[in-house]
Amino acid sequence: GESVGLHLPTLSVQEGDNSIINCAYSNSASDYFIWYKQESGKGPQFIIDIRSNMDKRQGQRVTVLLNKTVKHLSLQIAATQPGDSAVYFCAEKLGAGNKLVFGAGTILRVKS
Amino acid sequence: DAGVIQSPRHEVTEMGQEVTLRCKPISGHNSLFWYRQTMMRGLELLIYFNNNVPIDDSGMPEDRFSAKMPNASFSTLKIQPSEPRDSAVYFCASSLGGAGAQSPLHFGNGTRLTVT
Repeated sequence: GESVGLHLPTLSVQEGDNSIINCAYSNSASDYFIWYKQESGKGPQFIIDIRSNMDKRQGQRVTVLLNKTVKHLSLQIAATQPGDSAVYFCAEKLGAGNKLVFGAGTILRVKS
Repeated sequence: DAGVIQSPRHEVTEMGQEVTLRCKPISGHNSLFWYRQTMMRGLELLIYFNNNVPIDDSGMPEDRFSAKMPNASFSTLKIQPSEPRDSAVYFCASSLGGAGAQSPLHFGNGTRLTVT
Protein backbone atom coordinates (compact mmCIF):
# COMPACT_ATOMS: atom_id res chain seq x y z
CA GLY A 1 0.00 0.00 0.00
CA GLU A 2 0.95 3.60 -0.26
CA SER A 3 2.86 4.99 2.71
CA VAL A 4 1.77 8.23 4.28
CA GLY A 5 4.46 10.42 5.74
CA LEU A 6 4.31 13.21 8.26
CA HIS A 7 2.75 16.28 6.71
CA LEU A 8 5.08 19.05 7.78
CA PRO A 9 3.77 22.61 7.83
CA THR A 10 5.59 24.93 5.46
CA LEU A 11 6.41 28.57 6.02
CA SER A 12 7.38 30.59 2.94
CA VAL A 13 8.94 33.99 3.49
CA GLN A 14 10.59 36.60 1.34
CA GLU A 15 14.30 37.14 1.78
CA GLY A 16 14.86 39.93 4.27
CA ASP A 17 11.55 39.46 6.07
CA ASN A 18 11.29 38.12 9.61
CA SER A 19 10.18 34.51 10.17
CA ILE A 20 8.24 33.08 13.07
CA ILE A 21 8.11 29.33 13.54
CA ASN A 22 5.76 27.95 16.16
CA CYS A 23 5.74 24.81 18.24
CA ALA A 24 3.30 23.35 20.73
CA TYR A 25 5.03 21.10 23.22
CA SER A 26 3.38 18.25 25.02
CA ASN A 27 4.51 18.04 28.62
CA SER A 28 3.93 20.78 31.20
CA ALA A 29 6.77 19.28 33.26
CA SER A 30 9.36 19.90 30.53
CA ASP A 31 11.98 22.32 31.78
CA TYR A 32 14.39 22.73 28.87
CA PHE A 33 13.73 23.47 25.22
CA ILE A 34 15.89 23.56 22.13
CA TRP A 35 15.46 24.65 18.53
CA TYR A 36 17.29 22.74 15.82
CA LYS A 37 17.80 23.39 12.11
CA GLN A 38 18.17 20.48 9.71
CA GLU A 39 19.40 20.88 6.16
CA SER A 40 19.11 18.19 3.54
CA GLY A 41 21.58 15.37 4.10
CA LYS A 42 22.75 16.65 7.47
CA GLY A 43 22.00 16.08 11.11
CA PRO A 44 19.99 18.51 13.24
CA GLN A 45 22.08 21.55 14.12
CA PHE A 46 21.66 23.37 17.45
CA ILE A 47 20.34 26.92 17.10
CA ILE A 48 19.27 28.16 20.52
CA ASP A 49 17.95 26.83 23.81
CA ILE A 50 15.89 28.16 26.71
CA ARG A 51 15.21 27.01 30.25
CA SER A 52 11.73 27.00 31.71
CA ASN A 53 12.57 29.77 34.18
CA MET A 54 12.90 32.17 31.26
CA ASP A 55 10.36 33.40 28.72
CA LYS A 56 12.71 34.91 26.15
CA ARG A 57 16.24 34.39 24.96
CA GLN A 58 18.09 36.06 22.11
CA GLY A 59 20.92 34.91 19.95
CA GLN A 60 22.41 36.16 16.74
CA ARG A 61 19.43 36.96 14.48
CA VAL A 62 17.27 34.48 16.44
CA THR A 63 14.95 34.82 19.41
CA VAL A 64 13.13 32.06 21.25
CA LEU A 65 9.94 32.79 23.18
CA LEU A 66 8.44 30.42 25.73
CA ASN A 67 4.87 30.58 26.95
CA LYS A 68 4.44 27.93 29.62
CA THR A 69 0.80 28.80 30.21
CA VAL A 70 -0.23 27.48 26.81
CA LYS A 71 2.80 25.21 26.28
CA HIS A 72 3.99 27.16 23.27
CA LEU A 73 7.44 27.83 21.91
CA SER A 74 8.38 30.06 19.01
CA LEU A 75 11.52 30.80 17.03
CA GLN A 76 11.90 34.20 15.44
CA ILE A 77 14.49 34.69 12.71
CA ALA A 78 15.31 38.26 11.79
CA ALA A 79 16.14 39.28 8.22
CA THR A 80 15.66 35.76 6.86
CA GLN A 81 18.27 34.66 4.32
CA PRO A 82 18.25 31.91 1.67
CA GLY A 83 20.67 29.94 3.86
CA ASP A 84 17.97 29.75 6.52
CA SER A 85 15.91 27.41 4.30
CA ALA A 86 15.70 24.12 6.19
CA VAL A 87 13.45 22.06 8.45
CA TYR A 88 13.21 23.45 11.99
CA PHE A 89 12.48 21.26 14.99
CA CYS A 90 11.61 22.15 18.54
CA ALA A 91 12.60 19.68 21.24
CA GLU A 92 11.65 19.40 24.91
CA LYS A 93 13.33 17.71 27.82
CA LEU A 94 11.85 16.60 31.10
CA GLY A 95 13.72 17.42 34.28
CA ALA A 96 14.35 13.83 35.22
CA GLY A 97 16.39 11.73 32.87
CA ASN A 98 18.08 12.93 29.75
CA LYS A 99 15.47 12.27 27.11
CA LEU A 100 14.94 14.89 24.37
CA VAL A 101 11.64 14.60 22.49
CA PHE A 102 11.36 16.22 19.07
CA GLY A 103 8.39 17.81 17.40
CA ALA A 104 7.42 16.95 13.83
CA GLY A 105 9.20 19.95 12.29
CA THR A 106 8.39 22.96 10.11
CA ILE A 107 9.77 23.56 6.63
CA LEU A 108 11.05 27.10 6.09
CA ARG A 109 11.38 28.22 2.47
CA VAL A 110 13.03 31.54 1.74
CA LYS A 111 12.21 33.19 -1.58
CA SER A 112 14.79 35.41 -3.18
CA ASP B 1 36.79 21.11 15.96
CA ALA B 2 35.50 17.58 15.27
CA GLY B 3 31.83 17.00 15.85
CA VAL B 4 30.05 13.69 16.22
CA ILE B 5 31.37 11.30 13.59
CA GLN B 6 29.23 8.54 12.16
CA SER B 7 30.08 5.79 9.71
CA PRO B 8 29.18 4.68 7.18
CA ARG B 9 27.29 7.61 5.62
CA HIS B 10 25.27 5.24 3.48
CA GLU B 11 24.55 1.54 3.85
CA VAL B 12 22.61 -0.61 1.43
CA THR B 13 22.01 -4.19 2.44
CA GLU B 14 19.71 -7.08 1.77
CA MET B 15 17.01 -8.24 4.12
CA GLY B 16 18.35 -10.68 6.68
CA GLN B 17 21.87 -9.27 6.75
CA GLU B 18 23.53 -7.83 9.84
CA VAL B 19 24.12 -4.09 9.87
CA THR B 20 26.47 -2.23 12.22
CA LEU B 21 26.42 1.54 12.53
CA ARG B 22 29.25 3.36 14.28
CA CYS B 23 29.56 6.56 16.21
CA LYS B 24 32.33 8.60 17.77
CA PRO B 25 30.96 11.24 20.15
CA ILE B 26 32.49 14.62 20.83
CA SER B 27 35.47 14.25 23.12
CA GLY B 28 34.52 15.00 26.73
CA HIS B 29 30.81 14.42 26.25
CA ASN B 30 29.47 11.78 28.61
CA SER B 31 26.02 11.17 27.17
CA LEU B 32 25.38 9.47 23.84
CA PHE B 33 22.10 9.04 22.00
CA TRP B 34 20.90 7.02 19.02
CA TYR B 35 17.96 8.43 17.07
CA ARG B 36 16.12 7.19 13.99
CA GLN B 37 14.46 9.50 11.46
CA THR B 38 11.76 8.45 9.00
CA MET B 39 9.13 10.29 7.04
CA MET B 40 6.44 8.35 8.88
CA ARG B 41 7.57 8.90 12.46
CA GLY B 42 10.02 11.79 12.46
CA LEU B 43 12.92 11.72 14.92
CA GLU B 44 12.63 8.94 17.49
CA LEU B 45 14.99 8.24 20.38
CA LEU B 46 16.13 4.61 20.35
CA ILE B 47 18.53 4.47 23.28
CA TYR B 48 20.84 6.66 25.29
CA PHE B 49 23.95 6.08 27.37
CA ASN B 50 25.40 8.03 30.24
CA ASN B 51 29.03 7.37 31.15
CA ASN B 52 28.96 4.36 28.78
CA VAL B 53 26.02 2.75 30.61
CA PRO B 54 22.67 2.28 28.81
CA ILE B 55 20.09 4.34 30.70
CA ASP B 56 16.93 4.15 28.60
CA ASP B 57 16.43 1.67 25.76
CA SER B 58 12.65 1.87 25.71
CA GLY B 59 12.74 3.23 22.17
CA MET B 60 14.56 0.21 20.71
CA PRO B 61 12.01 -1.33 18.35
CA GLU B 62 12.66 -4.99 19.10
CA ASP B 63 15.28 -7.55 19.95
CA ARG B 64 16.80 -7.31 16.49
CA PHE B 65 18.28 -3.98 17.61
CA SER B 66 21.17 -3.75 20.05
CA ALA B 67 23.56 -0.97 21.03
CA LYS B 68 26.86 -0.97 22.85
CA MET B 69 29.25 1.60 24.18
CA PRO B 70 32.50 -0.15 25.08
CA ASN B 71 34.29 3.10 25.90
CA ALA B 72 33.73 6.84 26.05
CA SER B 73 34.73 7.41 22.44
CA PHE B 74 32.84 4.72 20.54
CA SER B 75 29.36 3.28 20.20
CA THR B 76 27.68 0.85 17.82
CA LEU B 77 24.09 0.19 16.84
CA LYS B 78 23.52 -3.24 15.39
CA ILE B 79 20.52 -4.63 13.55
CA GLN B 80 20.41 -8.39 13.10
CA PRO B 81 18.64 -9.51 11.00
CA SER B 82 17.74 -6.35 9.10
CA GLU B 83 14.32 -5.86 7.49
CA PRO B 84 13.08 -3.39 4.84
CA ARG B 85 11.11 -1.47 7.49
CA ASP B 86 14.40 -0.62 9.21
CA SER B 87 15.26 1.67 6.30
CA ALA B 88 15.79 5.13 7.79
CA VAL B 89 18.44 7.66 8.67
CA TYR B 90 20.10 6.81 11.96
CA PHE B 91 21.63 9.65 13.95
CA CYS B 92 24.05 9.58 16.81
CA ALA B 93 24.26 12.57 19.17
CA SER B 94 26.28 13.42 22.25
CA SER B 95 26.00 15.93 25.06
CA LEU B 96 27.67 17.01 28.26
CA GLY B 97 26.02 16.07 31.52
CA GLY B 98 23.91 13.26 32.86
CA ALA B 99 20.32 12.90 34.00
CA GLY B 100 18.54 16.21 34.27
CA ALA B 101 21.37 18.12 32.61
CA GLN B 102 20.27 21.07 30.52
CA SER B 103 22.72 20.96 27.67
CA PRO B 104 22.04 20.58 23.96
CA LEU B 105 22.62 17.44 21.96
CA HIS B 106 25.08 17.66 19.10
CA PHE B 107 24.26 15.43 16.16
CA GLY B 108 26.33 13.65 13.58
CA ASN B 109 25.34 13.69 9.91
CA GLY B 110 23.70 10.30 10.14
CA THR B 111 23.82 6.95 8.37
CA ARG B 112 21.24 6.44 5.65
CA LEU B 113 20.28 2.76 5.78
CA THR B 114 18.44 1.07 2.94
CA VAL B 115 17.36 -2.53 3.38
CA THR B 116 16.13 -4.19 0.20
